[in-house]
Amino acid sequence: EDQVTQSPEALRLQEGESSSLNCSYTVSGLRGLFWYRQDPGKGPEFLFTLYSAGEEKEKERLKATLTKKESFLHITAPKPEDSATYLCAVQARRGGSNYKLTFGKGTLLTVNP
Amino acid sequence: NAGVTQTPKFQVLKTGQSMTLQCAQDMNHEYMSWYRQDPGMGLRLIHYSVGAGITDQGEVPNGYNVSRSTTEDFPLRLLSAAPSQTSVYFCASSYSIMGISGANVLTFGAGSRLTVL
Repeated sequence: EDQVTQSPEALRLQEGESSSLNCSYTVSGLRGLFWYRQDPGKGPEFLFTLYSAGEEKEKERLKATLTKKESFLHITAPKPEDSATYLCAVQARRGGSNYKLTFGKGTLLTVNP
Repeated sequence: NAGVTQTPKFQVLKTGQSMTLQCAQDMNHEYMSWYRQDPGMGLRLIHYSVGAGITDQGEVPNGYNVSRSTTEDFPLRLLSAAPSQTSVYFCASSYSIMGISGANVLTFGAGSRLTVL
């Protein structure tokens, strides 16, 4: 069974204080790992897809990295507008599960001014 | 483009009542799905569809029914609502269904918050 564990559950940072969110996963053959951002009362918004170990992607103050067992979302010099819940999900490389994503519970990030 | 549109945004039901959550997308996506999100739990897949006339069960399908008569619409029906179905429901669609050349990048709707008393 595919599993995704995100840590910490909640993270409070001061503006400009860089940190990382962790996503550990267990999947029988990874087709893709996703990061989404979710603001209160809204649906998740796509950030990144990572396909293979060693891959990195960046967007503004966010950088996602991938190893064979985990992914990190690095936040550099965060701003209050980066406050949100960040979700990690995996898609397995399996015939019957090609269309299913397994989500973690998310990390609630709060950036104080 | 409107993306993925869900209605209603809020709904209160009594136990045993039935209702339909509507989902429409204007991106010509073949893949559509329904998730529920509960406090302390990750998003869980209820049902999904890879095209008109084709649906399949996800992780938590009991108590829900779906159909896909058009590419644009994917309604979720609650047959006899129970308090355990109190949740926030998200519809999501994707341009990719094969998963061969890439993974499913889902576009989510804004959600429908359902309370069952």
